[in-house]
Amino acid sequence: DTGVSQNPRHKITKRGQNVTFRCDPISEHNRLYWYRQTLGQGPEFLTYFQNEAQLEKSRLLSDRFSAERPKGSFSTLEIQRTEQGDSAMYLCASSPLRDRHLQGGYTFGSGTRLTVV
Amino acid sequence: RKEVEQDPGPFNVPEGATVAFNCTYSNSASQSFFWYRQDCRKEPKLLMSVYSSGNEDGRFTAQLNRASQYISLLIRDSKLSDSATYLCVCNFGNEKLTFGTGTRLTIIP
Repeated sequence: DTGVSQNPRHKITKRGQNVTFRCDPISEHNRLYWYRQTLGQGPEFLTYFQNEAQLEKSRLLSDRFSAERPKGSFSTLEIQRTEQGDSAMYLCASSPLRDRHLQGGYTFGSGTRLTVV
Repeated sequence: RKEVEQDPGPFNVPEGATVAFNCTYSNSASQSFFWYRQDCRKEPKLLMSVYSSGNEDGRFTAQLNRASQYISLLIRDSKLSDSATYLCVCNFGNEKLTFGTGTRLTIIP
């Protein structure tokens, strides 16, 4: 499978617990993105990596959220002290650096659906 | 005001009909434009890019009007399998894509 892979597919957690999601982008894609999508909304940008460097973070990414891409390959998104408002689909996407203006769009993974109870 | 605005619908359209969606964007520096399709509880998938001269892919036609800052998607001879949410997407000359809220389409047999 050469697509973007995310796991777990689903996560149910109790409020206050920490959760971590993983994303494996398409291997030759230098750029990796995290988005969040809630019901009835489009995906909202959270953060973006170019190789291992985190180049942009949205204001949506509170202090409880941290993302890493230590070797420029897979990435993790951790949410600490989860709240019910964190319940959403967390989507990872990747694109190649050579596509400077993103004319090819993104390839998304299947997402991780988080439910905080 | 949102950077990318779409009518959320729902649009309920009989099979075989033609349906059109519009989308407006606020940033004149936009570089590239897309329509993505998203099925229920699935990830968004690229349907087509939108070019200044307009472009067609089978039953789907996309158009861009830079002067008025809107993008359209036309679906002809709609099929039941076209039922989905259609997301209008822009790149504002930065390193990421900005998504509209999506327009929900249901094709009725």
